[in-house]
Amino acid sequence: GDSVTQMEGPVTLSEEAFLTINCTYTATGYPSLFWYVQYPGEGLQLLLKATKADDKGSNKGFEATYRKETTSFHLEKGSVQVSDSAVYFCALSGRGSYIPTFGRGTSLIVHP
Amino acid sequence: EAGVTQFPSHSVIEKGQTVTLRCDPISGHDNLYWYRRVMGKEIKFLLHFVKESKQDESGMPNNRFLAERTGGTYSTLKVQPAELEDSGVYFCASSPFPGQGMGISYNEQFFGPGTRLTVL
Repeated sequence: GDSVTQMEGPVTLSEEAFLTINCTYTATGYPSLFWYVQYPGEGLQLLLKATKADDKGSNKGFEATYRKETTSFHLEKGSVQVSDSAVYFCALSGRGSYIPTFGRGTSLIVHP
Repeated sequence: EAGVTQFPSHSVIEKGQTVTLRCDPISGHDNLYWYRRVMGKEIKFLLHFVKESKQDESGMPNNRFLAERTGGTYSTLKVQPAELEDSGVYFCASSPFPGQGMGISYNEQFFGPGTRLTVL
């Protein structure tokens, strides 16, 4: 079945550092790919998405590119802020499916 | 507009007790979903309501879990009797779009903050 693997955390960075959170997936066909974020005390929010190969999703300075050849969707940000501290979930949704398959989540801690 | 709300935010119970979690979706959203995250693991789908009907309950772990959505508004998820392995964070989500069979490959779901359940 479909699955998502993302790097274990926590990832601890200083403010303004470069961020990469790795995500790879296994799925039949051509799924849509997502990154969700959960800030402390809040629900999951859709951060960005990409629906086909080579698409780049972007939002709030975060980017991720749908790489079909490496089945990856790594999350990047050039300069993190303390307010980016949260748990990040990579997810996919197969064609015809409305239920995302999630990864285990990666906790990001950004220090001033 | 109010988001998805869940109650309680935390619950600590003894093994064998009963717990009821509540979810209030965004007003007007026909679709309501329950998910669970066991600590450190993936968020797993439990079930999906369309209005008051169960559209898909393939993720429900066993018959100790009972979900209801009377009147198609809020939903409850009851665990009776609770076991240690039921501990985790239970998320609820809602969405306004039609569900399965309507030719839509994805619809954005709006998540609540979750209820953290600890079974001792």
